[in-house]
Amino acid sequence: AQSVAQPEDQVNVAEGNPLTVKCTYSVSGNPYLFWYVQYPNRGLQFLLKYITGDNLVKGSYGFEAEFNKSQTSFHLKKPSALVSDSALYFCAVRDRSRDFNKFYFGSGTKLNVKP
Amino acid sequence: GAGVSQSPRYKVAKRGQDVALRCDPISGHVSLFWYQQALGQGPEFLTYFQNEAQLDKSGLPSDRFFAERPEGSVSTLKIQRTQQEDSAVYLCASSLGLSGSSGANVLTFGAGSRLTVL
Repeated sequence: AQSVAQPEDQVNVAEGNPLTVKCTYSVSGNPYLFWYVQYPNRGLQFLLKYITGDNLVKGSYGFEAEFNKSQTSFHLKKPSALVSDSALYFCAVRDRSRDFNKFYFGSGTKLNVKP
Repeated sequence: GAGVSQSPRYKVAKRGQDVALRCDPISGHVSLFWYQQALGQGPEFLTYFQNEAQLDKSGLPSDRFFAERPEGSVSTLKIQRTQQEDSAVYLCASSLGLSGSSGANVLTFGAGSRLTVL
């Protein structure tokens, strides 16, 4: 079965420090991987995706994520956090070989960036 | 329009009432998805349309849930005889391409319709 795990409900980091939001996935085939961010009372906004090629992908607002096939992980990172990065982050996977129409989302990680 | 528009943003229904939630996707987007997001959870897939065809409705939790997209643009999610467990945010998303041929297509989400069933 396809699934996504975000092991941390909440991540706290001081402004200016690096941040990591963890994501592991399980699919029967090869994955497409995505990160979305959700601000209060707003829809999910796309941050970045991994399709193929370079394992390190760069996205919006200085975020990046590293695809690690052996560890089935796709952790979200940013070198220097901003207070405005505080939001809810969702990792999502789509199986290339089946269920083309379905994104499977993790339960979300709340990122708190303190000034 | 510039984005995916959903209405109403907030809906309070008494248990047993029927509700209808509307989604207006980005013009020209072929694929349309409905997701259900319970409090503190990630979005859960409900159903998928490719133009006017409903290709997957495996995520609909019961036969009280019904979705349509008759002209391949605006979609409506209808919930009959609402129950308290139906309380959630219902998210609509659209994407440009045909899902099967370009699985990398990014979903653009609306702000959601928050349904509260009393």
